[in-house]
Amino acid sequence: NAGVTQTPKFRILKIGQSMTLQCTQDMNHNYMYWYRQDPGMGLKLIYYSVGAGITDKGEVPNGYNVSRSTTEDFPLRLELAAPSQTSVYFCASRPDFPAGQYFGPGTRLTVT
Amino acid sequence: EDQVTQSPEALRLQEGESSSLNCSYTVSGLRGLFWYRQDPGKGPEFLFTLYSAGEEKEKERLKATLTKKESFLHITAPKPEDSATYLCAVQGMEYGNKLVFGAGTILRVKS
Repeated sequence: NAGVTQTPKFRILKIGQSMTLQCTQDMNHNYMYWYRQDPGMGLKLIYYSVGAGITDKGEVPNGYNVSRSTTEDFPLRLELAAPSQTSVYFCASRPDFPAGQYFGPGTRLTVT
Repeated sequence: EDQVTQSPEALRLQEGESSSLNCSYTVSGLRGLFWYRQDPGKGPEFLFTLYSAGEEKEKERLKATLTKKESFLHITAPKPEDSATYLCAVQGMEYGNKLVFGAGTILRVKS
């Protein structure tokens, strides 16, 4: 099992550009999550999904979009990148409750 | 609103010097409390899940305990390889499938 994989590992965007962060899990988990982590601020939930075709907003969804067409994939789309979106982004998945979440290695994004 | 506060923000220990990290929480109906370890530049690694007051879990030098208001992560005779950021998170009835994370405790163990 590769677990949760994320691509790319690093990316630099110019203000106003768009990009998609990829997340794939091979554990057949229904629940998937996108977080951002800023220094000293902990993890903030952006979007989550409870299964293919079902997504919902987290704490900080503005400026982002997601889709979940398959169980394995949960891409995060950034439209019109802003400096405030500079952060480290983590994707996570978990089996049905009760269980902890399994995190990917993260994508470090810089918007300049 | 569910909240998690971790203390201290940072902790420096000598190798072999036991100590505890604190996670205080307020939640509307606890469904689970989770501890994670995060190494620099990596994603959080799941350690423990606790579900009810009085529950304890152990793994190597780590022991997690839970009361109705807080959880402790006890580290016994730590080694330099235990250095990491330790994150606490709660899942409550209000937020359903979502976790609320604390800001973490940065642990440094010196040899």
